Amino acid sequence: AQSVSQHNHHVILSEAASLELGCNYSYGGTVNLFWYVQYPGQHLQLLLKYFSGDPLVKGIKGFEAEFIKSKFSFNLRKPSVQWSDTAEYFCAVIGNAGNMLTFGGGTRLMVKP
Amino acid sequence: DSGVTQTPKHLITATGQRVTLRCSPRSGDLSVYWYQQSLDQGLQFLIQYYNGEERAKGNILERFSAQQFPDLHSELNLSSLELGDSALYFCASSVGWFGTGGSPLHFGNGTRLTVT
Repeated sequence: AQSVSQHNHHVILSEAASLELGCNYSYGGTVNLFWYVQYPGQHLQLLLKYFSGDPLVKGIKGFEAEFIKSKFSFNLRKPSVQWSDTAEYFCAVIGNAGNMLTFGGGTRLMVKP
Repeated sequence: DSGVTQTPKHLITATGQRVTLRCSPRSGDLSVYWYQQSLDQGLQFLIQYYNGEERAKGNILERFSAQQFPDLHSELNLSSLELGDSALYFCASSVGWFGTGGSPLHFGNGTRLTVT
């Protein structure tokens, strides 16, 4: 069965700091990978997705993620965070033979102004 | 706005009761998914329907059931409610279903269920 681990449960950064949130998955075959963001009191929104091709994926709001197949990782990055990036971030994976999108436990990011 | 509509936004009910949560997918989306979000369990996949048929089942309790109607809206029925069922229930929709290019899910705003 596929699974997703987000090791950082809570991250606190100051504005303009760089961000990297870890995501590791467990699945032996081809995967599709996603990062979703949930702003306080809102629904989950898609930040970016990886299906195939260039392993460096650029998403909305200056976010990017890099798929490293050998490490089973899909870390989310942003060079300079803003207060408005305060939210919970979820990594998700689906294997090509699977029929279920599995989410990680989420990382709560707080950006101090 | 994701285009996925969920009603009601909030629901407060007593243990042992039954409730129905409603979801209207984005226009053109054939798949509907239900997720439960709680503090201790995170985001748990419950069930998926595609064009009226059940396609995938996750950690859905036997007390819970769902269906997708011909107009593609979906309902999640929760019965014999327990305190532990208190959570945020999200509906999501997508064009295809899992396994066909992994079409991204678009989430609704959720229904917050409180069981007292």
